[in-house]
Amino acid sequence: DAGVIQSPRHEVTEMGQEVTLRCKPISGHDYLFWYRQTMMRGLELLIYFNNNVPIDDSGMPEDRFSAKMPNASFSTLKIQPSEPRDSAVYFCASSFPLAGDYNEQFFGPGTRLTVL
Amino acid sequence: AQSVSQHNHHVILSEAASLELGCNYSYGGTVNLFWYVQYPGQHLQLLLKYFSGDPLVKGIKGFEAEFIKSKFSFNLRKPSVQWSDTAEYFCAVRSGANNLFFGTGTRLTVIP
Repeated sequence: DAGVIQSPRHEVTEMGQEVTLRCKPISGHDYLFWYRQTMMRGLELLIYFNNNVPIDDSGMPEDRFSAKMPNASFSTLKIQPSEPRDSAVYFCASSFPLAGDYNEQFFGPGTRLTVL
Repeated sequence: AQSVSQHNHHVILSEAASLELGCNYSYGGTVNLFWYVQYPGQHLQLLLKYFSGDPLVKGIKGFEAEFIKSKFSFNLRKPSVQWSDTAEYFCAVRSGANNLFFGTGTRLTVIP
């Protein structure tokens, strides 16, 4: 398996533009997580899905952020309009529970977003 | 609210020195505990995890961690670090729901 795939790896945009980040989870994983990593706040969970359904979006900073998972193999995180304070590395991760136990989360390589 | 504290923000060691990174969490119920590592320019990878049983957990690359329930701690240790251990280390806690709470990370720099 190729692991969790994220695109683009780097994104530079201007304030006010729409940004769309993409994630393909590991096949067979039914949990998908979006995280944001900054120097000031560390790694924060933004939202996670189970079987394509958003379960907890309490970490989404504001209405400018939205996430979708139209099918089991694809998710997007959209920022509209983007602001300089959104500059961060955005990670996607996936996991599946094993027989009632909790499995580890597998992380993608991240998307480094810079908003000018 | 749950929280995870990593008090060491940046640790600098010489090769062969022993390592201990602190992790404390605040949650009174059953927890699962994790240490992830992020090498420069790479994504997070799991080092080790604790679910139940022996509180001393062995991970990859010679790392281990000890769960001390009374202290709400899950410190990471390695007896002898190598230059290749230079990375950022994240402690994470899961309780109840299927999401993780991460600490802010500890950057480890190992000097050859």
